[in-house]
Amino acid sequence: AQSVTQPDIHITVSEGASLELRCNYSYGATPYLFWYVQSPGQGLQLLLKYFSGDTLVQGIKGFEAEFKRSQSSFNLRKPSVHWSDAAEYFCAAMDSSYKLIFGSGTRLLVRP
Amino acid sequence: DAGITQSPRHKVTETGTPVTLRCHQTENHRYMYWYRQDPGHGLRLIHYSYGVKDTDKGEVSDGYSVSRSKTEDFLLTLESATSSQTSVYFCAIKVGTDYSYNEQFFGPGTRLTVL
Repeated sequence: AQSVTQPDIHITVSEGASLELRCNYSYGATPYLFWYVQSPGQGLQLLLKYFSGDTLVQGIKGFEAEFKRSQSSFNLRKPSVHWSDAAEYFCAAMDSSYKLIFGSGTRLLVRP
Repeated sequence: DAGITQSPRHKVTETGTPVTLRCHQTENHRYMYWYRQDPGHGLRLIHYSYGVKDTDKGEVSDGYSVSRSKTEDFLLTLESATSSQTSVYFCAIKVGTDYSYNEQFFGPGTRLTVL
């Protein structure tokens, strides 16, 4: 069965520092992968997606993610974190029925 | 904003009562989804619909039913609510008509508390 794992429940970084959030997937075929962000009390906003082609994808708010088939990973990165990036981040994979399988999320805390 | 609204936004109910949550879209997308969000579990799919009167189960469908009598509305019903169904419920729509361009956009959520 397809699964998505986010190994870090919480991550704390200082404002201005770089960020990497980890995501690993388990899927037999070429996966379609997504990162969503959720601010407290809000719905989910799509940050970026990977369908095919260039393995480095750019998203909104200065985020990027790199698909690495050999490592079954789709890690999210940002070179310089802002206090407004504090939120929960979800990695997800789409299966062949267009259903999303989500990871359990990583909560990002930003130190001033 | 993909034109998705959910109602009610908050609801408190008692164990054993029926509850219906409504998801409404304004853009005639074919696919609609209901997820629940619980701490430590991310979002899990309850049911989804791929057209009027066409629905299927997701990962956590026990205790839930859905109906879709028109394109714009997707209803989620808890026939007899239990405390384990206390959660935040999100509706989503799939945008895109072919597999090379598929995204899901989410509604604002409904916070349901079952006492």
